[in-house]
Amino acid sequence: AQSVTQLDSQVPVFEEAPVELRCNYSSSVSVYLFWYVQYPNQGLQLLLKYLSGSTLVKGINGFEAEFNKSQTSFHLRKPSVHISDTAEYFCAVRLSDYKLSFGAGTTVTVRA
Amino acid sequence: DTGVSQNPRHKITKRGQNVTFRCDPISEHNRLYWYRQTLGQGPEFLTYFQNEAQLEKSRLLSDRFSAERPKGSFSTLEIQRTEQGDSAMYLCASRESSGGLYEQFFGPGTRLTVL
Repeated sequence: AQSVTQLDSQVPVFEEAPVELRCNYSSSVSVYLFWYVQYPNQGLQLLLKYLSGSTLVKGINGFEAEFNKSQTSFHLRKPSVHISDTAEYFCAVRLSDYKLSFGAGTTVTVRA
Repeated sequence: DTGVSQNPRHKITKRGQNVTFRCDPISEHNRLYWYRQTLGQGPEFLTYFQNEAQLEKSRLLSDRFSAERPKGSFSTLEIQRTEQGDSAMYLCASRESSGGLYEQFFGPGTRLTVL
């Protein structure tokens, strides 16, 4: 079965510093990967997705992710974070019928 | 606002009571998904509909749970005889049934607390 593992449960980071959130997936077939962000008391918002093609995917709010098939990873990065990036981030893989399987999440706390 | 809406946003109930949540998807979206998110975890798939047909139910959906989408528009999720373990955020998402966007649009969720 396809699944994702987020390797960090919490990532504290200073404002304007870079951040990387790690996600590894397990799949034996073509894989579609997503990163979602969840702000407090809100639903999930799509940051970016990998379907095929270029392995470097750019998303909203300055985020990008790189699909690495050999390392089965899909890490999310941002070169310079803002206070407003404080949120929970979820990596997800698409299952059959477009259901999503999510990782446990990474809480990013940006400090001034 | 034309996004996915969910009501109520918060629900506090006593163990053993029945509760019902509503989800209104984006109007042209045929597919509707329910997920459950417990504290410190990612969302877990519960069930999904294509139009009014419920096509799949997760093993997480015990017989105390029932979901409907009577006219292929809004959906309800009912939990009977609630238990403390049902406390969670219940998320609804919708998407088009065809096309390559692959994106599910999520509502703000209903947070259930069972006392």
